[in-house]
Amino acid sequence: GNSVTQMEGPVTLSEEAFLTINCTYTATGYPSLFWYVQYPGEGLQLLLKATKADDKGSNKGFEATYRKETTSFHLEKGSVQVSDSAVYFCALIRFGNEKLTFGTGTRLTIIP
Amino acid sequence: DTGVSQDPRHKITKRGQNVTFRCDPISEHNRLYWYRQTLGQGPEFLTYFQNEAQLEKSRLLSDRFSAERPKGSFSTLEIQRTEQGDSAMYLCASSLWWGLSTEAFFGQGTRLTVV
Repeated sequence: GNSVTQMEGPVTLSEEAFLTINCTYTATGYPSLFWYVQYPGEGLQLLLKATKADDKGSNKGFEATYRKETTSFHLEKGSVQVSDSAVYFCALIRFGNEKLTFGTGTRLTIIP
Repeated sequence: DTGVSQDPRHKITKRGQNVTFRCDPISEHNRLYWYRQTLGQGPEFLTYFQNEAQLEKSRLLSDRFSAERPKGSFSTLEIQRTEQGDSAMYLCASSLWWGLSTEAFFGQGTRLTVV
């Protein structure tokens, strides 16, 4: 079946540090990959997505590249801000199996 | 449009009672999903509808759970004879499906506590 494995948290970084949150997946076929973010007290929001191998999703300074050879979709940001503090979820959806499969989430805290 | 709306935001109930949650999707969205999220875990799929038809139910959805989407608009999720293990955040999402997957928009969730 489909599964997503995320880097365990919590992760605490200083403002302006470089961020990487690892995500690997197992799926048959060619899934689409997503990063969702959940800010305190809010619902899940789509942060970025990639629908095929070698695609790079980007938004708000965050990037992730769909690597089929390593079945990975690591989230990166060059310089984090306090406002990036949230829980980040990696997820996949496989065409024809129309539901999201999520990782366990990584709580990120940025300190000034 | 105010996005996906869920009601109530919080519910505390005694074990054995029935509870019902409501989800109002984004108005033009034809697909509606229910997920459950427990502490420290990612959301897990429960069921989804396309218009009023319930197309898939997870094995997680025991016989005590039932979901409806009359007229393809809002949806309700009912849990009968609640158990402490039902305590979780119940998330609703909606999307516009036209043959390809599109972004799912999530509500803020209903947090259920069974005491």
